[in-house]
Amino acid sequence: EVVMTQSPATLSVSPGERVTLSCRASQSVSSNLAWYQQKPGRAPSLLIYEASTRATGTPARFSGSGSGTEFTLSISSLQSEDSAVYYCQQYNKWPPMFTFGQGTKLEI
Amino acid sequence: QVQLVESGGGVVQPGRSLRLSCAASGFTFSTYGMHWVRQAPGTGLEWVALISYGGGAYKYYRDSVKGRFTISRDDSKNTLYLQMNNLRTEDTAIYYCARASVEEVDLASLDYWGQGTLVTVSS
Repeated sequence: EVVMTQSPATLSVSPGERVTLSCRASQSVSSNLAWYQQKPGRAPSLLIYEASTRATGTPARFSGSGSGTEFTLSISSLQSEDSAVYYCQQYNKWPPMFTFGQGTKLEI
Repeated sequence: QVQLVESGGGVVQPGRSLRLSCAASGFTFSTYGMHWVRQAPGTGLEWVALISYGGGAYKYYRDSVKGRFTISRDDSKNTLYLQMNNLRTEDTAIYYCARASVEEVDLASLDYWGQGTLVTVSS
């Protein structure tokens, strides 16, 4: 099973700053990686897929990069509404096992 | 617009069964793979199962639910199901249904999610 490890677990930043969240896979997942945002009491929403492609409606201040085993989600010009838990997920392995990371809680 | 609405959650004793449903609308249901993902209270997301598009010929599960949970779909009713048998306390979670983001592709991200339904397994 591919294990996804996110860091840090929690991040506290100020509005307007830039932040980078990390996600590491225990084996290569190519570019088959997605990022999700989950706000309290809400379902997750897709932010980024294929490691770097913004989903419909994702603001341009969100960007993803990486391939293989190392991935990052960057958020520039942080806004209070960006407070959430962010999860990475791989969807590379066959047979399918859609592993999530444990999440990074971002506090603005 | 795409909508996914789960139902069927509730409180159940260990060892008992429960069936969840997910009613889909706003897209051609039969051409998308569909997932169940769960989230135990205060914890992260855990993928549970996938059923392939077009009738659901292929089904995949996480190890901890194999043999106990069955994912199915009725494309004529645009509905996804999760039959959960022999429930355990560790199955307590919010269960979300979610759609694969690419038509006729199983290995894809999940682009639309329902609001979730809470399953509590307790004696």
